[in-house]
Amino acid sequence: DIVMTQSPLSLAVTPGEPASISCRSSQSLLHSNGYNYLHWYLQKPGQSPQVLIYLGSNRASGVPDRFSGSASGTDFTLRISRVEAEDVGMYYCMQALQPPLTFGGGTKVEIK
Amino acid sequence: EVQLVQSGAEVKKPGESLRISCKGSGYSFSDYSISWIRQMPGKGLEFMGTIDPRNSYATYSPSFQGHVYISIDKSISTAYLEWSSLKASDTAMYKCVRLGKWNDLDHWGQGTLVTVSS
Repeated sequence: DIVMTQSPLSLAVTPGEPASISCRSSQSLLHSNGYNYLHWYLQKPGQSPQVLIYLGSNRASGVPDRFSGSASGTDFTLRISRVEAEDVGMYYCMQALQPPLTFGGGTKVEIK
Repeated sequence: EVQLVQSGAEVKKPGESLRISCKGSGYSFSDYSISWIRQMPGKGLEFMGTIDPRNSYATYSPSFQGHVYISIDKSISTAYLEWSSLKASDTAMYKCVRLGKWNDLDHWGQGTLVTVSS
């Protein structure tokens, strides 16, 4: 299985400040179609996860442009340019290249 | 509107069997695979397995292989997750989810809470 290592475990951020979450895969997630099959999800308290970024760097419909994703080899980063109160929750990366699909362990984002 | 509606919460005893369901609507059910995700209390997301409605072929995460069974009934647009012998450690929220074009999890069921206790 592809192992996804996510860091940090938790993050406390002042509103308006940036935040960054990292995810490393145990092998390349690069599909033959040129896309990295890595997605980012946010699970707000009491809700199902929602996709934020798909294929490493594409914002999902309706996701604010303060969210961005990037990739460098097997290292992936989710950035929030200016954290808002509504951004609290658990963030997960997930590899979607090879079954079984696997998640990172999650990062809890809180507001200071 | 795409919807996945799951069956209600269950309370079972260790050793009992259980089948929970996930009914899709608002889209062509046969065109998208359905996966099951486990979330134990206060823990992260665990991918259990996926079923392709076109051929009813299911694949499982090694952690769940042999302990659960995923099936589908296309005629009623419903996927199932089944246990033959529950354990206390199966206590969790179980969510079905549709796999999108990029194997992204694009629509989620509301979840079924399974509690296994003697």
